[in-house]
Amino acid sequence: AQKVTQAQTEISVVEKEDVTLDCVYETRDTTYYLFWYKQPPSGELVFLIRRNSFDEQNEISGRYSWNFQKSTSSFNFTITASQVVDSAVYFCALSDLILTGGGNKLTFGTGTQLKVEL
Amino acid sequence: ETGVTQTPRHLVMGMTNKKSLKCEQHLGHNAMYWYKQSAKKPLELMFVYSLEERVENNSVPSRFSPECPNSSHLFLHLHTLQPEDSALYLCASSLTSGGFNEQFFGPGTRLTVL
Repeated sequence: AQKVTQAQTEISVVEKEDVTLDCVYETRDTTYYLFWYKQPPSGELVFLIRRNSFDEQNEISGRYSWNFQKSTSSFNFTITASQVVDSAVYFCALSDLILTGGGNKLTFGTGTQLKVEL
Repeated sequence: ETGVTQTPRHLVMGMTNKKSLKCEQHLGHNAMYWYKQSAKKPLELMFVYSLEERVENNSVPSRFSPECPNSSHLFLHLHTLQPEDSALYLCASSLTSGGFNEQFFGPGTRLTVL
């Protein structure tokens, strides 16, 4: 069965520090996608990235970077030079099932609360 | 309006009330989802509609009844809820073509059952 583990419940950093959020997943499928979402206090989950299981290249987008390692089933997320506006709950998710009729199933981790302080 | 909208944003109801949550997406997607988010638990998928047909019902109690009249609108009808149903209910939408597509979420409805 699919499972996503985010072992870090809460992380507190001081602004401008780099921070890495860990994500470990389990799946029996060879084709799957991994996602990261950000949930600020307003409640809406904001999509950050989607990676497929055949693309292990690391990705960088501004201050955000992602490290995908199939050998360790991990998809970690690093924020460089963190800012107060980065404070949110971050969710890692796995999708390895396309539903009959369309749509896909996302399995979410429990999230990591990131607090960035001045 | 853009993205995914949900109304109401907050709802307090008694256990004998009947209420409905509404979701509307303006992204041209053809799949819509209801999730439940409780404290300290992963998001739980409740229902999935694709092209207005229900394709997933994740063992949700019958006191929750979804409705998808068209690909832009999704409702969750609530009746005789229990206090443990208090949670943030999130709606999402996605494309179905191409397979493992990202889902775009609304801001949620914070439900409190007294």
